[in-house]
Amino acid sequence: DTAVSQTPKYLVTQMGNDKSIKCEQNLGHDTMYWYKQDSKKFLKIMFSYNNKELIINETVPNRFSPKSPDKAHLNLHINSLELGDSAVYFCASSPRDRAYNEQFFGPGTRLTVL
Amino acid sequence: KNEVEQSPQNLTAQEGEFITINCSYSVGISALHWLQQHPGGGIVSLFMLSSGKKKHGRLIATINIQEKHSSLHITASHPRDSAVYICAVTQGGSEKLVFGKGTKLTVNP
Repeated sequence: DTAVSQTPKYLVTQMGNDKSIKCEQNLGHDTMYWYKQDSKKFLKIMFSYNNKELIINETVPNRFSPKSPDKAHLNLHINSLELGDSAVYFCASSPRDRAYNEQFFGPGTRLTVL
Repeated sequence: KNEVEQSPQNLTAQEGEFITINCSYSVGISALHWLQQHPGGGIVSLFMLSSGKKKHGRLIATINIQEKHSSLHITASHPRDSAVYICAVTQGGSEKLVFGKGTKLTVNP
């Protein structure tokens, strides 16, 4: 049983294109996240949604737009892709309780912009 | 300077050795996390702790809130422990995780 799933696993595209990455969790969690891991393997939060509501929005170009149709899904749409967007993008989810927010990560999506 | 600092950056050990990875942080936190990233890329949460010590199998995590420091210990290390270990903190009052840059551990047979 997959807890947090992401599609696609690999995405290769040309500069200037628009692409989406999908994330789904079947853990019943209220909070979902998008993280970016750069070429130096450094993880950084991009967005967090709680029950379809945006609660964290880090300094991310507005070419990146998260969308949460329901609390089990958090998709990431990227417009006008740039070379610097090449990275691994991880989705994660956690229970809402602030005292206990262990995070469960998806397998990652490796985005390569040519 | 990053809010979460880990040391060492790289660590090579022989099978069976006792390993310690350190993490220091400079912000107020509600919890500290140790994560493991496998060579294949997947990330797994090992521990989440806000005080004291936790043990799971050969892994032990400790935290000293006053000193803003945590350690991850691996006893009787094994080549399958080879991975990147990442320290992260949940900043007080938010669900935001701030990550260290990771420690790459290689355990040779």
